[in-house]
Amino acid sequence: GNSVTQMEGPVTLSEEAFLTINCTYTATGYPSLFWYVQYPGEGLQLLLKATKADDKGSNKGFEATYRKETTSFHLEKGSVQVSDSAVYFCALGYNQGGKLIFGQGTELSVKP
Amino acid sequence: DTAVSQTPKYLVTQMGNDKSIKCEQNLGHDTMYWYKQDSKKFLKIMFSYNNKELIINETVPNRFSPKSPDKAHLNLHINSLELGDSAVYFCASSQDVGFGELFFGEGSRLTVL
Repeated sequence: GNSVTQMEGPVTLSEEAFLTINCTYTATGYPSLFWYVQYPGEGLQLLLKATKADDKGSNKGFEATYRKETTSFHLEKGSVQVSDSAVYFCALGYNQGGKLIFGQGTELSVKP
Repeated sequence: DTAVSQTPKYLVTQMGNDKSIKCEQNLGHDTMYWYKQDSKKFLKIMFSYNNKELIINETVPNRFSPKSPDKAHLNLHINSLELGDSAVYFCASSQDVGFGELFFGEGSRLTVL
C-alpha cells in the first residue's frame, strides 16, 4: 500500500544551521507530495507542495524537490530560525476525495 | 476570525461515555475531514464529506459517527468511548473534492480514563 516514511526526530539545530528532513514514499501512480507544519498548540498548515516529478515546492525559505527516481521529497532550509521549531509532516495524496497519507512527523527544535 | 474552528479543545471523560466534537469552517469550502492524531503524532484520515455527502470512511469503528448538517459543519460523535480513542482529533476543510490545500483546525484533545 501507499506509505510515507520520515526521518526520526527530534532534530535539534542551532540557529542559522542547515536543515534537511528526509522523506521517502511508496506509492503507485503519480501522487502529489506535500509538507505540512504543526506549530505548538496549533493545527497543521500547508508549507509547500509538488504535483509532479522534478517539481520543486518552496515557501518561507523551505524547499523540497519531487524525485521520482529515488521516491523522495526531502525538506531543506539553508538557515533555520528559532521560529521554525515545529513538527513537520510529509504527505502524499491523489485526486480522490482528499485523502492524504502522512508520515509520522519530525520534530524540529532550533536553539538560539 | 478562525477559518476552521473545533469545540471543545479539551475533553476528558470516562470509558463507556458518549461524546461529540463539533467543527465549523467559514472558508466556503465544499469538503471537510476528520483526522486522528495518536500519541506518537501519527495522523490518519477517518472521514471526508463533500457537500454533506460521505466520501471517505476509512475503516473506522461504527462507534464513530460523523454528521454534516450543512457543508460548513462536520461533527463527530463517539459512542461507548474506549481507552484507545484517546487522541487529538483534527477537523480540516478544502475547496475541492480532490484536494487542494487542506486547512486544519487547532485540534480537540480527547482523553478517555
